Amino acid sequence: NAGVTQTPKFQVLKTGQSMTLQCAQDMNHNSMYWYRQDPGMGLRLIYYSASEGTTDKGEVPNGYNVSRLNKREFSLRLESAAPSQTSVYFCASSGTGVNEKLFFGSGTQLSVL
Amino acid sequence: QKEVEQNSGPLSVPEGAIASLNCTYSDRVSQSFFWYRQYSGKSPELIMSIYSNGDKEDGRFTAQLNKASQYVSLLIRDSQPSDSATYLCAVNIKGSQAGTALIFGKGTTLSVSS
Repeated sequence: NAGVTQTPKFQVLKTGQSMTLQCAQDMNHNSMYWYRQDPGMGLRLIYYSASEGTTDKGEVPNGYNVSRLNKREFSLRLESAAPSQTSVYFCASSGTGVNEKLFFGSGTQLSVL
Repeated sequence: QKEVEQNSGPLSVPEGAIASLNCTYSDRVSQSFFWYRQYSGKSPELIMSIYSNGDKEDGRFTAQLNKASQYVSLLIRDSQPSDSATYLCAVNIKGSQAGTALIFGKGTTLSVSS
C-alpha cells in the first residue's frame, strides 16, 4: 500500500551541483506532477506528465527538467542547483480526467547552500 | 498566467464557530475545484471537491461554487482545534498537451482556539 514514493526525503546540495529527485507510484495512474512549496507560497506546479511519454511545463519550470521514465516513474532533475531552489518538493499522481484527485508523496526537503 | 487567490490569514476562530475560507480563480474554463488541508510538515490531503454550481456538503464541511463569479468557498461548521491547519484551494487548468493539472492558491492558515 505504498501509493506515491519519493526519494530522498532530505538533501543538501552546494550551489552548482546537480541531482535527481525520484518519484514512483503504484496506483496505475496516468498523470504525474511535481510541485514545490515555499513558506507562504502554497504549492506551485513545476512540470507534469499527463501520460507516459508526454510532459508539460507548469508555473515555475525554469531550472528543472523532468523525465517520465515509464508509467510508474517521474523524475525531476536540477542540473545546476541554486539557492532559490531551496524548497520542499512534492510529487503527486492522479487518474485521467478533470475530476481526479491528487495523491501526494511525503515530500523532499531540499536545501541548496 | 492563470491564478488562484486566497487570503493568507491567519484566520482565527473559537472552538465551535463556523470558519469561512474563500478562493477566487482567473481561468473561466476551469471545471473542477478542490480544497486540500495541510498540517505543518505533512503532505496535503483532500477534503472536498466540487464541480457544479451550488453547495456540496460532507459532514462538517460545505463547499460552495459560483462559476459566474469565479468564486469557491469552504465552510467548516463546529470548528475543532484539530481543524487548525493550512487550507489550500486548487483549480484544474488545461495544459498545452492533452492533460490537465491542478494549480493551487497560497493557502489560508486557520487557527481554532479551545
